[in-house]
Amino acid sequence: EAGVAQSPRYKIIEKRQSVAFWCNPISGHATLYWYQQILGQGPKLLIQFQNNGVVDDSQLPKDRFSAERLKGVDSTLKIQPAKLEDSAVYLCASSPSLRVRDQETQYFGPGTRLLVL
Amino acid sequence: DQQVKQNSPSLSVQEGRISILNCDYTNSMFDYFLWYKKYPAEGPTFLISISSIKDKNEDGRFTVFLNKSAKHLSLHIVPSQPGDSAVYFCAASVNNAGNMLTFGGGTRLMVKP
Repeated sequence: EAGVAQSPRYKIIEKRQSVAFWCNPISGHATLYWYQQILGQGPKLLIQFQNNGVVDDSQLPKDRFSAERLKGVDSTLKIQPAKLEDSAVYLCASSPSLRVRDQETQYFGPGTRLLVL
Repeated sequence: DQQVKQNSPSLSVQEGRISILNCDYTNSMFDYFLWYKKYPAEGPTFLISISSIKDKNEDGRFTVFLNKSAKHLSLHIVPSQPGDSAVYFCAASVNNAGNMLTFGGGTRLMVKP
């Protein structure tokens, strides 16, 4: 079974530029998550989708971050304009459902490492 | 406000010995807890979990203990192997809140041969 795919793996941009990240979840997984992981910290949830609808985006800085999952499969996360403090690893995860139980956990992609100069 | 805390940023253990990783939480609504393992340049991978109705869950060399009164859980790895060297994240969830996970800051485990 193929895992969660993310691209690009690395991105370096200057502040005030725009950047977009792409995620392809595990086939059949209805729920998709975007996390931000700053160096030395644990992942922080930015947004959660169930199919193509947003379940929670309370921690997404909506003045500069946006995300979409138009057909309920792939998703993109965009930052416009980027700030220095956005330097982090952006992780995408998927899960079969909204319920947390033994094996219905979240499966993570390798992440996109963003450096804002 | 950190609801899930891992107070030890790093831990070094000799191969064959026990590794004990600790995690504390403050939100009494959490009722499901998970441990994830992360290697460099990879995403976290699920390791083991425990529901709040249990106080222990075991899977091979890995055992998670939950002390609800102390709001504390721990991951025991016995025996530790060099391949266990990674960053370990504790995470917690409210089971009826849409599978949203709150992560701790992680503990880097180094198992020395």
